[in-house]
Amino acid sequence: DTGVSQDPRHKITKRGQNVTFRCDPISEHNRLYWYRQTLGQGPEFLTYFQNEAQLEKSRLLSDRFSAERPKGSFSTLEIQRTEQGDSAMYLCASSLATSGSYNEQFFGPGTRLTVL
Amino acid sequence: AQRVTQPEKLLSVFKGAPVELKCNYSYSGSPELFWYVQYSRQRLQLLLRHISRESIKGFTADLNKGETSFHLKKPFAQEEDSAMYYCALKRPGGSYIPTFGRGTSLIVHP
Repeated sequence: DTGVSQDPRHKITKRGQNVTFRCDPISEHNRLYWYRQTLGQGPEFLTYFQNEAQLEKSRLLSDRFSAERPKGSFSTLEIQRTEQGDSAMYLCASSLATSGSYNEQFFGPGTRLTVL
Repeated sequence: AQRVTQPEKLLSVFKGAPVELKCNYSYSGSPELFWYVQYSRQRLQLLLRHISRESIKGFTADLNKGETSFHLKKPFAQEEDSAMYYCALKRPGGSYIPTFGRGTSLIVHP
């Protein structure tokens, strides 16, 4: 499968624990996005990278959340001291961005986080 | 602030019936709108963009700036159209990051 991959697909954790998710984008894609989707809602933007630079962070991304893309390839999203409200599907997407023109995002299967 | 509203959580129709999935938006600038689809156990994917004016899988959507709407339509629904449909509005700026509506679940009965 040459699409966007995410690991793990499911994560169950206890409140207060730290969790880390990984996203591997389509290999030639320079942009990588993270979204969060709660039950009954559409995806909400969290942050995105162009290569290794984190260009934008949503206000949804509290201090407990951190994302990295150290070599401009895969990315990790860490949530520290998880809360029950963090339970959601975390989606990753990637795109090949060229200046000023539309670039379609391709989504991964998501990581479903359940915080007990 | 921009907003996308999909008033129906669920739309249930019979095969062969027309389908209209409603989407309204609020945005002060020139909007760019999209429809995304997620079939059961599959990934979220782009269905169509208003700028491209394409018909994809028999679906069309026309941007109506006067009514601030971007409804998705198909004249004859098929069972394989059953899915979650999300309307989305491009956020300001050049990054093409969408603001999604909450989605409408379309069920097409045989």
